[in-house]
Amino acid sequence: TQLLEQSPQFLSIQEGENLTVYCNSSSVFSSLQWYRQEPGEGPVLLVTVVTGGEVKKLKRLTFQFGDARKDSSLHITAAQPGDTGLYLCAGGSNYKLTFGKGTLLTVNP
Amino acid sequence: DTGVSQDPRHKITKRGQNVTFRCDPISEHNRLYWYRQTLGQGPEFLTYFQNEAQLEKSRLLSDRFSAERPKGSFSTLEIQRTEQGDSAMYLCASSPGTQNYGYTFGSGTRLTVV
Repeated sequence: TQLLEQSPQFLSIQEGENLTVYCNSSSVFSSLQWYRQEPGEGPVLLVTVVTGGEVKKLKRLTFQFGDARKDSSLHITAAQPGDTGLYLCAGGSNYKLTFGKGTLLTVNP
Repeated sequence: DTGVSQDPRHKITKRGQNVTFRCDPISEHNRLYWYRQTLGQGPEFLTYFQNEAQLEKSRLLSDRFSAERPKGSFSTLEIQRTEQGDSAMYLCASSPGTQNYGYTFGSGTRLTVV
């Protein structure tokens, strides 16, 4: 069974601060995806990374896939209250995604 | 395209009753997935369809659960003889069938068994 560990589980910061959340596994994934989920809604895809060492930027969000394709990080610069939500990483192999438990981020104004 | 639609959004049922949820995927997506999410957890895989064929079922899906996708379009998930432990958010997602593409999720159906 492929498991994804996300850390920290909870993170509460002030508006304007930077933060990094992590996603780690002992398994190799063909791709890794990050989603953001708001209460009562389904997850929304932020990014897919497929190549070891790959870095992708989406405005203030920077995603990195580890060289061995077993881990990933999400860095947010100058966090805003609108960034509040549950950040989920998901590892892909063939057709199925395995999700971590998520990092619940709260950005206080 | 209105994305993935799920109906109903909320369902409260008494223990022992049967419930059925519907999912309408993005029309050009041939893969459809059902996941279950409980509080404090990430989504857990339940089952997967490629067109109308159900290709995998998780061990989480007991014999009280059944899913269909007639004609490869919409899908239904039925839970028979509901139990309190079935209370969860049931999420449907679709994808175009390339493994490196992400899923598009619906808003989910929140089931509460009382």
